[in-house]
Amino acid sequence: SQTIHQWPATLVQPVGSPLSLECTVEGTSNPNLYWYRQAAGRGLQLLFYSVGIGQISSEVPQNLSASRPQDRQFILSSKKLLLSDSGFYLCAWKRQGAERRSPLHFGNGTRLTVT
Amino acid sequence: AQSVTQLDSQVPVFEEAPVELRCNYSSSVSVYLFWYVQYPNQGLQLLLKYLSGSTLVKGINGFEAEFNKSQTSFHLRKPSVHISDTAEYFCAVSGGGNNDMRFGAGTRLTVKP
Repeated sequence: SQTIHQWPATLVQPVGSPLSLECTVEGTSNPNLYWYRQAAGRGLQLLFYSVGIGQISSEVPQNLSASRPQDRQFILSSKKLLLSDSGFYLCAWKRQGAERRSPLHFGNGTRLTVT
Repeated sequence: AQSVTQLDSQVPVFEEAPVELRCNYSSSVSVYLFWYVQYPNQGLQLLLKYLSGSTLVKGINGFEAEFNKSQTSFHLRKPSVHISDTAEYFCAVSGGGNNDMRFGAGTRLTVKP
């Protein structure tokens, strides 16, 4: 069966510090990978998605970036965090080949607080 | 483009009462519909999905949803809720493309004893 791991679970970082959140998927190959952000009391905002190694599409321009160095690894980064980057970050994957019909499968999220 | 509207931001109910969480969508193409549940500080878990066929779909934890094409709705129901059903519920629509799953703003279901 497929599993998705996301870490760390919680993170407190000062303004201006760098960020690296990691996500890995097991039990499937060549998945579509996604990063979402969920602000308090709001819905999900798609940040980035990837259909393959090194292929990143950005949905929202901001000071975050994403990378996919390996088939089942997806990394969210920032060089300098802003207060507005605080939120709950979710990684998700979807099976390729039937994107419309496939549900997203989510990790347990990372709670980021920028102080 | 697709969009999803969850009509209620909060729904308080008493334990063992029935509940309906409302979801309307708009799309220019045929759609696939999903309901997710999110417990505090956790990711989203798939409750159920409508892909084709019977318009009444059953999911986990006793939930079901009915796809109504004429009313562009996909309401989630449970005949008798438990305290453990307290969570945030998200409706989502998928119409095409790698990134084209749109989520509603969520409905917070609170089950009171």
